[in-house]
Parts: sequence; structure tokens; C-alpha cells
Amino acid sequence: SYELTQPPSVSVSPGQTARITCSGDALPKRYAYWYQQKSGQAPVLVIYEDNRRPSGTPERFSGSSSGTMATLTISGAQVEDEADYYCYSTDISGGHRGVFGGGTKLTVL
Amino acid sequence: QVTLRESGPALVIPTQTLTLTCTFSGFSLSTNGMCVGWIRQPPGKALEWLARIDWDDDEYFSASLQTRLSISKDTPKNQVVLTMANMDPVDTATYFCVRLVRGRRYNDFNHYYMDVWGKGTTVIVSS
Repeated sequence: SYELTQPPSVSVSPGQTARITCSGDALPKRYAYWYQQKSGQAPVLVIYEDNRRPSGTPERFSGSSSGTMATLTISGAQVEDEADYYCYSTDISGGHRGVFGGGTKLTVL
Repeated sequence: QVTLRESGPALVIPTQTLTLTCTFSGFSLSTNGMCVGWIRQPPGKALEWLARIDWDDDEYFSASLQTRLSISKDTPKNQVVLTMANMDPVDTATYFCVRLVRGRRYNDFNHYYMDVWGKGTTVIVSS
């Protein structure tokens, strides 16, 4: 089955740039999406279609995708950005089946 | 304002069938491009995509769970029902209902993504 691979954890100091990667064989042909999940809450969409920000997502969040890797970048990470981040995409062989990465715990301290 | 709310049993006995209902407002499943889906998250673990039903009645299921899952919609009532058969303790999780919308077409493929989530409902499978 199709998989998206993320690092389990990323740690930065406040004000630094955090980069979270997501690799998957289908990413050259499928958009990547990023969800932020704070402790005890439902996930929230922060980046869609590789690099577009929904209204309400701070400008310090950006996304990119090249080849088999998508990247979520948080420029000048804030303490309130500490959360789990999940990439999401679609299985290339399974029609519209969705797939999540394993999640990355971002620590900002 | 779009909202989704999950409802169902908090406790399920192993081998029983789980039935979850998503009641939503702020959009209609009769609208072209609208979909409702289900995601789950075991305690301390990652999100897992389960199923989706579209405005045109198309249905999609997780490959690993498709034999146990069914999904249906009641458009006038703004409800979507997910059933999962033969529940096991490993199915203990928070189950989220989500709205999916159609985004841009890319590589001859219509992409859909979750833009609004319900708060989730916790289901424990135990005897």
C-alpha cells in the first residue's frame, strides 16, 4: 500500500526556521496537503495544493513540492506552532483513497 | 459556517458492528464537488483515512479496511453514516468526520481534500 514518510520529530528554537518533509512516490503527480494538530484538538488545514495557504494560516507557513518530496516550512517558528503536523495526499493507484504520513512532532523551545 | 458533529457509542463490544453518524450544516451533499469522509486516530498514533462518500454517490474505502466498512448518506437530513463490522480492540480510536472539497485539477486528476473537521468522537472497543 502507498505510504508517505515523515520524520518523527523536529525541534527548533523560537524564531528559527522549521522544515518538515514528506516523501512519497506519487507526489510528482499528486498534491500534498498539510494539517496541524495541537494536543487534544482536531487537525486544521494549514497548506493545500502543495503551497497554498487557507485564509487564517499565518504567512510564516509555506509549502513546496519537488519530485517525490513535499516540504512544510515555518519561517520564524513561534511557541504556539508546537504541534503534530501531518502530510496528506492521494494514492496514485487507488483512485481517490487518501493517505496520511506518520506525523511529525514539532517542538519549539 | 460549516460544522460537522460525530455521534455514536463510546463503548463497543469486540465483534460488534460500530455505527457512527456525522451530522453537518453549512453545506449540502447535493452540491457538485462536495464530499464527506471519516478519519480515525488511535490514542497516541497517526491519523488514518477510512472512507469517503461523494455528492454523486461515489464511495471510496481504505484498502486495508474496505471489507469491514460501509458508508451511506441521507442528503435531506445532512447526515452521513459509517459502519465498521467486526470491531476489535485495535479499532479503539477517535473518529473524525470531515468535509472534503474539490480543488484544482492536476495531472488529469481531480483532487479532493479535507477543509473542515468535526471535533471527533472517542470509541473504545472492550469487553
